[in-house]
Amino acid sequence: DQQVKQNSPSLSVQEGRISILNCDYTNSMFDYFLWYKKYPAEGPTFLISISSIKDKNEDGRFTVFLNKSAKHLSLHIVPSQPGDSAVYFCAASAIMNRDDKIIFGKGTRLHILP
Amino acid sequence: DTEVTQTPKHLVMGMTNKKSLKCEQHMGHRAMYWYKQKAKKPPELMFVYSYEKLSINESVPSRFSPECPNSSLLNLHLHALQPEDSALYLCASSQAPGPYGYTFGSGTRLTVV
Repeated sequence: DQQVKQNSPSLSVQEGRISILNCDYTNSMFDYFLWYKKYPAEGPTFLISISSIKDKNEDGRFTVFLNKSAKHLSLHIVPSQPGDSAVYFCAASAIMNRDDKIIFGKGTRLHILP
Repeated sequence: DTEVTQTPKHLVMGMTNKKSLKCEQHMGHRAMYWYKQKAKKPPELMFVYSYEKLSINESVPSRFSPECPNSSLLNLHLHALQPEDSALYLCASSQAPGPYGYTFGSGTRLTVV
């Protein structure tokens, strides 16, 4: 049973436009939500996170929005650049006994079109 | 040094072999993790080490045996694996629980024949 769901396997966006990646979760006990970016043959790279008590976090071109009532979060990238083409994983963190456990969604492949 | 280094990058092993994967970080992170990722699937947590002690084992079969010799090093010993264990094995480390994210290595691509 997936606790973190990314229902769009892929997304194509024109360079310069906004990319919106969506994620849903089922467990209301998660403490943080995170987005990771992954290029082929590399490990995932941490992008941005949001606490479960916030509804928005912004870092440069990246903004994450959290809607707790809908158990939904989204990552906005604006403007989209060619280097943004990668697989994006949504992840959720639960802190247990002073350790955290991150659960990943299946990922969305983002293609930035010239 | 802000990296997690994993060796080897690629490994092919037979089902009767014993091999080890190695992970190293020198960022002073107190927690280290092993994840397994199969094609078109998300990374799945296997083990968490916190201050060199095993704190989470996600019901991983005993043919996978983790070891944390010191705060910078994490090993994964492999024995009697099955072809379905072929996957990308990712190591990660983190400073503390919270919104900091993990630093991942590039992974070891394991093929069991």
